[in-house]
Amino acid sequence: EIVLTQSPGTLSLSPGERATLSCRASQSVSSTYLAWYQQKPGQAPRLLIYGASTRATGIPDRFSGSGSGTDFTLTISRLEPEDFTVYYCQQYGRSPWTFGQGTKVEIK
Amino acid sequence: QVTLKESGPVLVKPTETLTLTCTVSGFSLSNARMGVSWIRQPPGKALEWLAHIFSNDEKSYSTSLKSRLTISKDTSKSQVVLTMTNMDPVDTATYYCTLGGYYWGQGTLVTVSS
Repeated sequence: EIVLTQSPGTLSLSPGERATLSCRASQSVSSTYLAWYQQKPGQAPRLLIYGASTRATGIPDRFSGSGSGTDFTLTISRLEPEDFTVYYCQQYGRSPWTFGQGTKVEIK
Repeated sequence: QVTLKESGPVLVKPTETLTLTCTVSGFSLSNARMGVSWIRQPPGKALEWLAHIFSNDEKSYSTSLKSRLTISKDTSKSQVVLTMTNMDPVDTATYYCTLGGYYWGQGTLVTVSS
């Protein structure tokens, strides 16, 4: 089973700052099958990025994904107030599919 | 417009079997190459992937829960069903279904308690 480790657990930043979230896999993951989700309290997750770097429909271009192999990154170029929430990575290339434990982006 | 809706009991007793149904509207499951997943989230905790079923009926399960889970679909009813046996209080969670990760249901909170 591929274990995804997200870091940091919590990221404290101010609006307008750049956020860099990491997702490290215990085994190599095909870039085709790495996704990032945003989840706000009381809501279902929302797909941000799939295929490691492709933004889902309607996702602002301040969100970008990169990486390959075992190291992947979600970058939010300039944090907006609505971006302060929790983010998860997921691999869906090798069964069983797995999620990371999440990174919370909080207001500093 | 594609919508998913989870339905099932809100309260189950320990050792009982949970049956959840995901009803998909606006999209044919026979055309959904990406398939449907079930994911759960205990209160205040992270997302946990449970199971997936593809349009060709291929299935995949969480390693730790595989012995307790069964996923199936009825294309004619546009429904995907998840059963989980031998429920325990640690299984208390919001259960979500999702179509390809793009479309999600609102989730249904299932509490396991006697």
